[in-house]
Amino acid sequence: GQQVMQIPQYQHVQEGEDFTTYCNSSTTLSNIQWYKQRPGGHPVFLIQLVKSGEVKKQKRLTFQFGEAKKNSSLHITATQTTDVGTYFCAGPGAGGTSYGKLTFGQGTILTVHP
Amino acid sequence: DVKVTQSSRYLVKRTGEKVFLECVQDMDHENMFWYRQDPGLGLRLIYFSYDVKMKEKGDIPEGYSVSREKKERFSLILESASTNQTSMYLCASSSGIGNTIYFGEGSWLTVV
Repeated sequence: GQQVMQIPQYQHVQEGEDFTTYCNSSTTLSNIQWYKQRPGGHPVFLIQLVKSGEVKKQKRLTFQFGEAKKNSSLHITATQTTDVGTYFCAGPGAGGTSYGKLTFGQGTILTVHP
Repeated sequence: DVKVTQSSRYLVKRTGEKVFLECVQDMDHENMFWYRQDPGLGLRLIYFSYDVKMKEKGDIPEGYSVSREKKERFSLILESASTNQTSMYLCASSSGIGNTIYFGEGSWLTVV
C-alpha cells in the first residue's frame, strides 16, 4: 500500500536557526497536506499543495511540492519557541473509496531551545 | 468552525473490558476517521467511513470495530481491551475527496 515517509524524526534547534522536514511518498500524490500538532494538542491543518513544483509561504514557513509530486518539504526560517510541535505531512489514497482517506508520515518533532 | 467532539478525553479500562469511543462532527462531513497515535509511530489509521453504514479498514484494524449509524457520529469499539491498545485515539472528519481533515481533541486510553 501507499507509504509516506518523513525525516528527520526529531530535530532540536536553537531559537533563530532554520528547520526543514522532508516527506517522501511511494506513489504519486494528487495533493499533499501539512499539519502541526502542538504538545498535548491535536493535529491542525496548515496547508495543501496541489500543483507540481508548487511553492507556498505562510510567514516564516515555506512549503514545496516536488516536480514529480512524490515529495514535499516544509522549511521554517528563524525558528521561534512557538514553532515547537510535531509536523506531519499527509497524502490522499490512490483511488476508489480509499480516495477519501489520508496517509500520514511519522511526523517530525521539533524542539526549539531559547 | 468545524467541530469534532470526542466524548471522553481520558479513560482507564481493565483488560478484557469492552470500550466505546464516541465521536461527533457538526459539519455534515461525509468522511470520518479513527487514528491511533503512539510515540515514534505517528498517526496510524484504524478505520474510516465514507458514508453512513459504510466503512473501510485502515492500516491497523485488528482488535477494533466501528459503527456509523448516523452521518455525524462515528464510534470506535474495542471488543476486548488489551494493554497494547493503550494509546491516544484521534477522531477526524473531512468532506469530499482528499480534503482537509479536522481532528478532535483526542482520547487518552489506558488499559490496565
